[in-house]
Amino acid sequence: EVQLVESGGGSVKPGGSLKLSCVVSGFTFSTAWMTWVRQAPGKGLEWVGRVKPNVDGAATDYAAPVEGRFTISRDDSKNTVYLQMNSLETEDTAVYYCACFGQGAWGRGALVSVSS
Amino acid sequence: DIQMTQSPSSLSASVGDRVTFTCRASQSISSHLNWFQQKPGRAPKVLVFGASTLQSGVPSRFSGSGSGTDFSLTISGLQPEDFATYYCHQTFYAPITFGQGTRLEIK
Repeated sequence: EVQLVESGGGSVKPGGSLKLSCVVSGFTFSTAWMTWVRQAPGKGLEWVGRVKPNVDGAATDYAAPVEGRFTISRDDSKNTVYLQMNSLETEDTAVYYCACFGQGAWGRGALVSVSS
Repeated sequence: DIQMTQSPSSLSASVGDRVTFTCRASQSISSHLNWFQQKPGRAPKVLVFGASTLQSGVPSRFSGSGSGTDFSLTISGLQPEDFATYYCHQTFYAPITFGQGTRLEIK
């Protein structure tokens, strides 16, 4: 069974940092393009960014609102993808989902709340 | 960025009805279009990928079609568990972009 399980969500003050993890099982993680998507309360979905497999240099792409503040990385030995979020802003408050579009799989999400 | 526009934004229907949602891209995305269903507090569930290929395990009452800029998702014979919000998204170009969703409600 394909599973993606996010963790690391929580509350943080503006300017703070948080790191989300997503552990994957049920498919070959090392060849998967992994993506983070977020959904602010009552809003639509917004792509955050993605990381390609190590064979593609683990190259990353980011959405403009998070470029330079967020970093996506992967650890194939742990079947885990990470989202390091720095300089958090109130507008970053959202449920963050990890997904593998190639497998048609999404996690249940992790809530990140940024407020003073 | 590619803009994805879904219509209608909401729809009321009854169990057993046939409903169709549409999704339009601001430029051609070939067949790089996915549909998924979202229910509150649940992980999004992928229904269709590549515009028309049904994800494994998804009931055959769901079907997708289209290419280029115009796409549709049809549910033939609504079931009670189908009342949810449906989203399309394109995977042709980064940034990946999503439609605003169609909320399917019970009439």
